[in-house]
Amino acid sequence: QSALTQPASVSGSPGQSIAISCTGTSSDVGGYNYVSWYQQHPGEAPKFIIYDVSSRPSGVSDRFSGSKSGNTATLTISGLQAEDEADYYCSSYTSRSALYVFGTGTKVTVL
Amino acid sequence: EVQLVESGGGWVQPGGSLRLSCEASGFNFRIYWMRWVRQAPGKGLESVATIHKDGSEKYYVDSVKGRFTISRDNAWNSLYLEMDSLRAEDTAMYYCARDQGWGCSATSCSTTRSDNWGQGTLVTVSS
Repeated sequence: QSALTQPASVSGSPGQSIAISCTGTSSDVGGYNYVSWYQQHPGEAPKFIIYDVSSRPSGVSDRFSGSKSGNTATLTISGLQAEDEADYYCSSYTSRSALYVFGTGTKVTVL
Repeated sequence: EVQLVESGGGWVQPGGSLRLSCEASGFNFRIYWMRWVRQAPGKGLESVATIHKDGSEKYYVDSVKGRFTISRDNAWNSLYLEMDSLRAEDTAMYYCARDQGWGCSATSCSTTRSDNWGQGTLVTVSS
């Protein structure tokens, strides 16, 4: 079960927008609209913030948005805030396994 | 409020065994698939195992097949992970998670995301 590819780190200043990519294959990201995103602050459990590529669970800020093109999904954080500094993981349903696959993770730093 | 509380982690020597538990509350446990996810120190997330609502289907990541067993007791709203023949590379924080969504390929279907997570229990395998 190969992990999806994410950049190791992304940074931005408060108020800016940043984008985190998540690249897979036609067997996962590219083949199905079942990409999710999770936010994890240090020492805490992951928190579910996006599902089905672009849907937000209730209570999640609309500064978080998701999209997909081909085999790459993208999480965009607009109006970056200090509290957004965390690790972010994508995941996708895959036809190769009964276990959905995670991305490698991206550390977001707010400058 | 959905709550998932893991327990059972600790230190164990290579080759040893541990049994993790996850107590669920605040939702109808018996209608959800459940999952164990682990995170090695400083590393990313990895799905370890998932189990059907009634326990009839179980799936594992290749690295734990034959060594780990996922199970559940719907009468007690509890999820378990029996871990045998533990290795140093099993050292990780283990999270219990509730699964949601349903995706299908031409040959199979499975859950697509985890919407609630516990705080985790740490397993350390070392001599």
